[in-house]
Amino acid sequence: KNEVEQSPQNLTAQEGEFITINCSYSVGISALHWLQQHPGGGIVSLFMLSSGKKKHGRLIATINIQEKHSSLHITASHPRDSAVYICAVRSNYGGSQGNLIFGKGTKLSVKP
Amino acid sequence: EADIYQTPRYLVIGTGKKITLECSQTMGHDKMYWYQQDPGMELHLIHYSYGVNSTEKGDLSSESTVSRIRTEHFPLTLESARPSHTSQYLCASSGSFPELANYGYTFGSGTRLTVV
Repeated sequence: KNEVEQSPQNLTAQEGEFITINCSYSVGISALHWLQQHPGGGIVSLFMLSSGKKKHGRLIATINIQEKHSSLHITASHPRDSAVYICAVRSNYGGSQGNLIFGKGTKLSVKP
Repeated sequence: EADIYQTPRYLVIGTGKKITLECSQTMGHDKMYWYQQDPGMELHLIHYSYGVNSTEKGDLSSESTVSRIRTEHFPLTLESARPSHTSQYLCASSGSFPELANYGYTFGSGTRLTVV
């Protein structure tokens, strides 16, 4: 079982829809990151969370530490939101403390 | 503006050549990382460094080597490139302490390497 599980793997939405991507993890963490990767490869860090909720524009990220679960929401989705969204946790144990453990990513396609 | 820079963005090179992929950051981050990513696949950590003169191998075995002589610079070298090294290589950096503002991760734009 992967230490970081994301769902869904693939998601197709119509422009304007509300989108939710989920992430569950099974290890102790110091922080959780939501990353965005567009075709062409560059990765942008959208959020870093250790508790609660953060909002940036149309993006909202939440984390429940007790349940080891995080969600990324996109309101009023737009074709330019089409990308791969990656959940990654920052471990707080072992020799590789602080390194990221990645989920497999969610490929989002927003149709006009 | 603080950032992380990777060069070159694209590289096509012949088998057997020695190559160095450059990565520099201006954020004062202690930790730096190299990831390898094949198209449509996950990121795999190949090297990391927690500070000057500190380098460690990551989860994915790689024939590449790294050095960390200066805090801001973390180059990756392939002594003899082979077609199996064709991939995208992403550099990243992060701060060490959760209580500091620079704790987040920042990724470079990546180097897309093709070995022919």
